[in-house]
This record gives sequence, C-alpha cells and structure tokens, in this order.
Amino acid sequence: NAGVIQTPRHKVTGKGQEATLWCEPISGHSAVFWYRQTIVQGLEFLTYFRNQAPIDDSGMPKERFSAQMPNQSHSTLKIQSTQPQDSAVYLCASSFWGGNTGQLYFGEGSKLTVL
Amino acid sequence: GDSVTQMQGQVTLSEDDFLFINCTYSTTWYPTLFWYVQYPGEGPQLLLKVTTANNKGISRGFEATYDKGTTSFHLQKASVQESDSAVYYCVLALNSAGNKLTFGIGTRVLVRP
Repeated sequence: NAGVIQTPRHKVTGKGQEATLWCEPISGHSAVFWYRQTIVQGLEFLTYFRNQAPIDDSGMPKERFSAQMPNQSHSTLKIQSTQPQDSAVYLCASSFWGGNTGQLYFGEGSKLTVL
Repeated sequence: GDSVTQMQGQVTLSEDDFLFINCTYSTTWYPTLFWYVQYPGEGPQLLLKVTTANNKGISRGFEATYDKGTTSFHLQKASVQESDSAVYYCVLALNSAGNKLTFGIGTRVLVRP
C-alpha cells in the first residue's frame, strides 16, 4: 500500500510568491491533517478535514494560508505572498476517524524554502 | 489549554545504554498519550500509546507509562541500539477521536556504536 504522498518534496520560492503544496492521503482514510515543522517550534498543528469538510483550522495563520480538500484523494495547502518565516517542512497526515487510536500516517513532507 | 512539555533537547548514548525520556502534560480532559518517532528524511510514526495511568504501553522494546499525580509520562528502553537514533516526541490527543494531536518539541537521541 502506498503511504501518504506529498508533492513537491522541495520547493524554493522568492519572497512574495505563492506556494501550493499537495497531499494524497491513504485510500480509505477519512481524516487529513496538516502540520508545520521547524527547528524552533517543532511540529505545529495547522488544520484538518474529516470526510473532506474542514473541521478545525485553529492553527492556521489568519492571513496568506489556506487549505482545501476538493475530493477524497487530495488536499492542498496554499501560501500566498510567501515570507522567509514560512520556510519549514509541511507535513500531511491521514487517518481513520474514531477509535481513539492516535494513529496518524505522515507523509515525508514538503520542504519549503523562501528566499 | 492542553499542552505537553518535553525538556530534553538531545540525549547521547552508547549502544546497550538505558534510555529514559520524560514529559509533562496539561489537560482538562482524560488524556490519551502517545510517543511518536521520526527518522531522518521521514515523517513521524506512532511508536506506542498509553491510555490508562500506570498501565504500560510496550512496542519494539520501548515502554511508556504515565502518572496522573505528577502529570508526567515517560519513555524508556533498557538497551538501545544505533538504529534507535531518531527524534522522539511525546504527544497528547486533543479530541475524543484521538487523532488531533499536539506534539512536544522532541528529543533527539543519538546512539553511538
């Protein structure tokens, strides 16, 4: 079985440009999560979807960041007008819903570098 | 709010040494606690889960327990190997489905041969 697939693995943008990151969850998983990972802050929750509906975006910066899940096979995280402080590894994860298992399956991440 | 605090930034050990990592947590709910491990170039993966205080979670030679009185939980392994070199995260589940997770800052474990 394929795991969570994230593309691109590496993206370099100039300050002010837009970046779109893609995630393909594991087939059959009903929940999709986005996290941001930096050396200083560690792993920070951004947002999640359940059955494609946005449930909780409490970790998303209020400006410039948006996430969508147009169908069950992919989700996108878009960052408009990227800034150097947006440089991070963005991790997508998927899981079944319920059961209190805590089992998130993470992708390998998309490393964003903003020059 | 709900949080986990993980103090040890890096631990350096030799093979066959004992590993112990400690975290504290804060939550108003009944906690479900996890340890995740991240190897270089990979995403984090679930190592083990502890749902009941004083009960052990056990996986791959690692053990974890938590103490409600001190709101602490820890991860230990009796004899580490070089392949255990990774970053270990203590993790708290924030929703009843158990899958909205908040991560500690992580402890980098380096095991020298």
